[in-house]
Amino acid sequence: EVQLVQSGAEVKKPGESLRISCKGSGSGYSFSTSWISWVRQMPGKGLEWMARIAPSDSYTYYSPSFQGHVTISADKSITTAYLQWSSLKASDTAMYYCCAHTSGYLVNWGQGTLVTVSS
Amino acid sequence: EIVLTQSPATLSVSPGERVTLSCRASQSVSSHLAWYQQKPGQAPRLVIYGASTRATGIPARFSGSGSGTEFALTISSLQSEDFAVYYCQHYNNWPPLTFGGGTKVEIK
Repeated sequence: EVQLVQSGAEVKKPGESLRISCKGSGSGYSFSTSWISWVRQMPGKGLEWMARIAPSDSYTYYSPSFQGHVTISADKSITTAYLQWSSLKASDTAMYYCCAHTSGYLVNWGQGTLVTVSS
Repeated sequence: EIVLTQSPATLSVSPGERVTLSCRASQSVSSHLAWYQQKPGQAPRLVIYGASTRATGIPARFSGSGSGTEFALTISSLQSEDFAVYYCQHYNNWPPLTFGGGTKVEIK
């Protein structure tokens, strides 16, 4: 069973930087041969796919809506993926989920990280 | 980018009833469509992939159908634990992946 454990909730001010994490584990789970995707859910809204990374070679793909606004990365030595912002905006307030998958559908989800950006 | 339109936005249903949720794609996605269930305060859970294959642990009362641009998720007899928001998502020629806007199934 795959387990994805995300870092805890964050409260930040506009302009601050932030990195949240997602650690994968479980029997039969290979971090290096799966993709990790990040999904945003703004308060009371639907799901938005942001980006994916292949931890084996750190190859990334960003949704055009998020390109340039966030950066994803992964450290396969500690089976952890990251989502980071260099300058947060109030509109980044949302729940962020990481997902591990080997096909285009998202089988395994983390518990979510709530990011609140407020002055 | 392929747009997925879900209807209706909200369904008010009594327990035991049969419900059908719709998802329409702006262009063909073949059978590369998945459905997710999300309950309040929880992460989404995969219900259906490949348009009609139930994910691990999903009860048989859930079924998916369709191909091309028209898809449906049917719950044959709604149980109390099925009240949730359901999202469709395509993965044809991905990335990117896109989700529909969701259908909320609420208690009547």
